[in-house]
Amino acid sequence: DAGVIQSPRHEVTEMGQEVTLRCKPISGHDYLFWYRQTMMRGLELLIYFNNNVPIDDSGMPEDRFSAKMPNASFSTLKIQPSEPRDSAVYFCASSLAGVTEAFFGQGTRLTVV
Amino acid sequence: AQKVTQAQTEISVVEKEDVTLDCVYETRDTTYYLFWYKQPPSGELVFLIRRNSFDEQNEISGRYSWNFQKSTSSFNFTITASQVVDSAVYFCALSEAGLNDYKLSFGTGTTVTVRA
Repeated sequence: DAGVIQSPRHEVTEMGQEVTLRCKPISGHDYLFWYRQTMMRGLELLIYFNNNVPIDDSGMPEDRFSAKMPNASFSTLKIQPSEPRDSAVYFCASSLAGVTEAFFGQGTRLTVV
Repeated sequence: AQKVTQAQTEISVVEKEDVTLDCVYETRDTTYYLFWYKQPPSGELVFLIRRNSFDEQNEISGRYSWNFQKSTSSFNFTITASQVVDSAVYFCALSEAGLNDYKLSFGTGTTVTVRA
């Protein structure tokens, strides 16, 4: 299996622009997680899905952030409008069941200038 | 409140030394899972181990070993005979499955630097 695939790997955008991050989970995995990593806050969960349904979005910072999972093989995290404080590495991860280990993608490094 | 505490921010050792990383967790759950992940300089997060709350047996995998003690709520990780390739940030994480909460709560990480 190719593992969790995220795109793009790097994104530089101007403040106010819309940013869309993409994730393809490992085939057969039914949990998908979006995490954000910053120096100040470490690794924090933004949202996770089970069988394409959002279960916990309490970590989504504000209404500018939205996530969707239209099918079992694709998810997006959108930021609109983006702000410099959104600069971070965004990780997508998937797991076979809630209690098994999560496998992470290589992350998307977002820079908002 | 922080559910996972990794008190050591940075550890620096010389190659072939042993290094132990501390992890203390906090949960009301009786069914939970503990994890260790490695984040090398390249940035990806690599899964190392998962333990459930009912299995307190220590585990060894090559130069890696883990000591799980429920009495002290600790899940410590030892690298024996460290190598330069072990240089990375190591994260401990907790999943509270008994509360139907499957997200991973991560500690702040310990940066390990192994010098040649």
